[in-house]
Amino acid sequence: ETGVTQTPRHLVMGMTNKKSLKCEQHLGHNAMYWYKQSAKKPLELMFVYNFKEQTENNSVPSRFSPECPNSSHLFLHLHTLQPEDSALYLCASSPTADSSYGYTFGSGTRLTVV
Amino acid sequence: GENVEQHPSTLSVQEGDSAVIKCTYSDSASNYFPWYKQELGKGPQLIIDIRSNVGEKKDQRIAVTLNKTAKHFSLHITETQPEDSAVYFCAASIGYGNKLVFGAGTILRVKS
Repeated sequence: ETGVTQTPRHLVMGMTNKKSLKCEQHLGHNAMYWYKQSAKKPLELMFVYNFKEQTENNSVPSRFSPECPNSSHLFLHLHTLQPEDSALYLCASSPTADSSYGYTFGSGTRLTVV
Repeated sequence: GENVEQHPSTLSVQEGDSAVIKCTYSDSASNYFPWYKQELGKGPQLIIDIRSNVGEKKDQRIAVTLNKTAKHFSLHITETQPEDSAVYFCAASIGYGNKLVFGAGTILRVKS
C-alpha cells in the first residue's frame, strides 16, 4: 500500500447516473490531485487542492465536481458522464503543492461509462 | 502549453540487457524530473528523480541523466529482469514547481 487509498477500484455507470469516487491519504500531506489516465495518452491533471482549497481546475467539464472536506480526503462527484469519460482516475498527494516533493499515487478507480 | 515528449512508446529487451527511455521537455524553468513505474492494476510509483542542479543520479540498477541545455533527460535500467516489465512515465515540473506534466509512457517488456 502506498498510503493513498482509492475506492471503489472499479465502477460501471450509466450516462444518467450519479456516483462518487473517494480518495483518502494517511501520509499527512497537504496537497491532493485528481488525474485522468486514458490509454496511450499522458496523465491529464484535472484538479489540485492545497490545504483544502482548490488551486487548479484544468478546464474540466462541469459533469466532474471535486470536493475536499479536509487535507486527508478528496472526492470526485460524477453525473451525466459520456462514454469518452471512461478511464482510470488516479488520486495523488504530496507534502505541499510544490511538485518537487514528488507525488504518491493511489491505485486508481477504473471507470466505465455505458 | 508545456509538454513532455517520451520515446519509445514500447520497448522490448532480453533479460540482462539494458533499457533506455528518453524524454524531452519544453519549459526552461522546469527543475524537477521524476520517473514513475506503473504495474498492472496499480497506480504509478516513484522510482527515481533528479533535480536541475544535478546531471546524473544512480540507484542500484537504475540511473537518470539530465541535459538542461538540450532539455532532455533519460532513464537507464541495467541488467533488466522480468519484474522490470511495466509502464514507465517521465515527468517534469512546470510553473516554477507548481505541478507535474507527464509523458505518454513507455511499455517495457523484459523477455526471459
